[in-house]
Amino acid sequence: QTVVTQEPSLTVSPGGTVTLTCASSTGAVTSGNYPNWFQQKPGQAPRALIYSTVNKHSWTPARFSGSLLGGKAALTLSGVQPEDEAEYYCLLYYGGTRVFGGGTKLTVL
Amino acid sequence: QVQLVQSGSELKKPGASVKVSCKASGYTFTNYGMNWVRQAPGQGLEYMGWINTNTGNPTYAQGFTGRFVFSLDTSVSTAYLQISSLKAEDTAVYYCAREAAAGFESWGQGTLVTVSS
Repeated sequence: QTVVTQEPSLTVSPGGTVTLTCASSTGAVTSGNYPNWFQQKPGQAPRALIYSTVNKHSWTPARFSGSLLGGKAALTLSGVQPEDEAEYYCLLYYGGTRVFGGGTKLTVL
Repeated sequence: QVQLVQSGSELKKPGASVKVSCKASGYTFTNYGMNWVRQAPGQGLEYMGWINTNTGNPTYAQGFTGRFVFSLDTSVSTAYLQISSLKAEDTAVYYCAREAAAGFESWGQGTLVTVSS
């Protein structure tokens, strides 16, 4: 079974920059895995941030960006705000199925 | 605007069944697939599978075959998730999420299913 791995937790200072990554047990993540990124705050449904590696939704703040980095999908937050404290999940496509990463708890401190 | 509105929380006994609904509005229902995602208490998101709303063909992820059934009523733009022979470990929030070229762009608010005797 395919496993998608994210950092369990990261801490960043307000105004700082942090990169979250998403690795696949099948090998390098590529654009063909159509990486998606989601933000989830306690008690809320997930909110889509990034799709197809780099594309932002109309509501995605400019400080969020997606990329491929060293064989992984990556989500970079530049100029982190206190409201960015949340759980972040990646989603990878594998042909007819999809797999979520385990999530990264981002603390802004 | 696109909206996915799910049915309310459910409390069920082990062995019972539950049917969760996801009513779509603001777009042509049959033009976009519908995914289902599970989130157990304090845990991460788990992909359950999706249903082709044009053909009605469901695809189930590993671990979600047998007791889980995706269905549709296109006349009311609604997708359903039915779970039979409920177990305590089925206690979770279940989400529907529209599949678009832009990924899982729209999500329902979630339905909490609690299985307890």
